[in-house]
Amino acid sequence: DQQVKQNSPSLSVQEGRISILNCDYTNSMFDYFLWYKKYPAEGPTFLISISSIKDKNEDGRFTVFLNKSAKHLSLHIVPSQPGDSAVYFCAASAISTDKLIFGTGTRLQVFP
Amino acid sequence: EPEVTQTPSHQVTQMGQEVILRCVPISNHLYFYWYRQILGQKVEFLVSFYNNEISEKSEIFDDQFSVERPDGSNFTLKIRSTKLEDSAMYFCASSGPSGFKETQYFGPGTRLLVL
Repeated sequence: DQQVKQNSPSLSVQEGRISILNCDYTNSMFDYFLWYKKYPAEGPTFLISISSIKDKNEDGRFTVFLNKSAKHLSLHIVPSQPGDSAVYFCAASAISTDKLIFGTGTRLQVFP
Repeated sequence: EPEVTQTPSHQVTQMGQEVILRCVPISNHLYFYWYRQILGQKVEFLVSFYNNEISEKSEIFDDQFSVERPDGSNFTLKIRSTKLEDSAMYFCASSGPSGFKETQYFGPGTRLLVL
């Protein structure tokens, strides 16, 4: 089941710079997308979401962009901080269901 | 800030034994979920629960699994006869109260190890 893909297993960014995490999906019935952050031995922590009727949503340092024609979303973190170092998952749900389909995650490391 | 809690944090059991994983969802939430993550794999949906009944379940959620909301605060996942392949992190989540398609908030997980 590869409906949600995160092709970069890891990303390393310097503190203060922009982190861009990418996610691709194949199911055109997805209408709601979320990003979660996860530390080891903890549950996923919600960061930001976007509905398919929008192409951008912003919350503080976090912005999610949705390109429906490309079936692609990205999470921008500006400026990146060492505390942002974690695994980031994108997740999606389809019309008429609220079950989340998760990607494999991208490990972000922010170094000083 | 309200949060989802789960107990126990770790559980070790013998194959064939029953286990019950417990969750306390956020108090005014109406939708409840269980997910699991096998080591090195994706987080996978198991089941969703609303209005005291299962609203959706995955193919993983077979007859060995059951969920219950025994009182106004707890939400449980029971595995009747555990198998080695049930070893995973199990996450409870909840959403609501306004309705469908709200953000799901996850608990810290229970690490289940079946020997």
